[in-house]
Amino acid sequence: GQQLNQSPQSMFIQEGEDVSMNCTSSSIFNTWLWYKQEPGEGPVLLIALYKAGELTSNGRLTAQFGITRKDSFLNISASIPSDVGIYFCAGPPSGGTSYGKLTFGQGTILTVHP
Amino acid sequence: DAGITQSPRHKVTETGTPVTLRCHQTENHRYMYWYRQDPGHGLRLIHYSYGVKDTDKGEVSDGYSVSRSKTEDFLLTLESATSSQTSVYFCAIRIGGASGELFFGEGSRLTVL
Repeated sequence: GQQLNQSPQSMFIQEGEDVSMNCTSSSIFNTWLWYKQEPGEGPVLLIALYKAGELTSNGRLTAQFGITRKDSFLNISASIPSDVGIYFCAGPPSGGTSYGKLTFGQGTILTVHP
Repeated sequence: DAGITQSPRHKVTETGTPVTLRCHQTENHRYMYWYRQDPGHGLRLIHYSYGVKDTDKGEVSDGYSVSRSKTEDFLLTLESATSSQTSVYFCAIRIGGASGELFFGEGSRLTVL
């Protein structure tokens, strides 16, 4: 099946730094979703991208849908301690009826030091 | 706001015993999903449902079965639990449109000894 590869696997940064992470696939995705999971909670949707080249912001978060449709990027500006968590990219498999199923990347674990 | 309740939230069991996890939603959503989360693997789909009594397998369905006799409840059963099924299990409902945006429950942590 389709796989999503996220990098980096983990990041340790100082408060105030900017963060960049990405997600790549060997096949085309028509939608990219970015989720954040805080400890002990389920993932929560941050940003949804629907068109190649699209750039969308949500506060200090900005995500981009790659032109090739095989990648997506998430940036966090001026990180704060509450940005700690696991960030997942996800997308519905292309072709056929997806029934809303999502494929998830392995996640990027973000640690922010005050 | 979509509401999902998973039960139990924590369970410890022994190898070979049956286990059922319950997912209850309050908003009549058609599509429901069970994922498991393991370090280094992200979230992997076990089974999903696209209506009452309509279910299908995901990518890691071996050793699991599901049932959906009512819109609001989606049950995940491990007929004979194994240590490899120690994981955190998340139920989700589809609340978006064609994009497939999912809303997740808080998870059920299962430990099989």
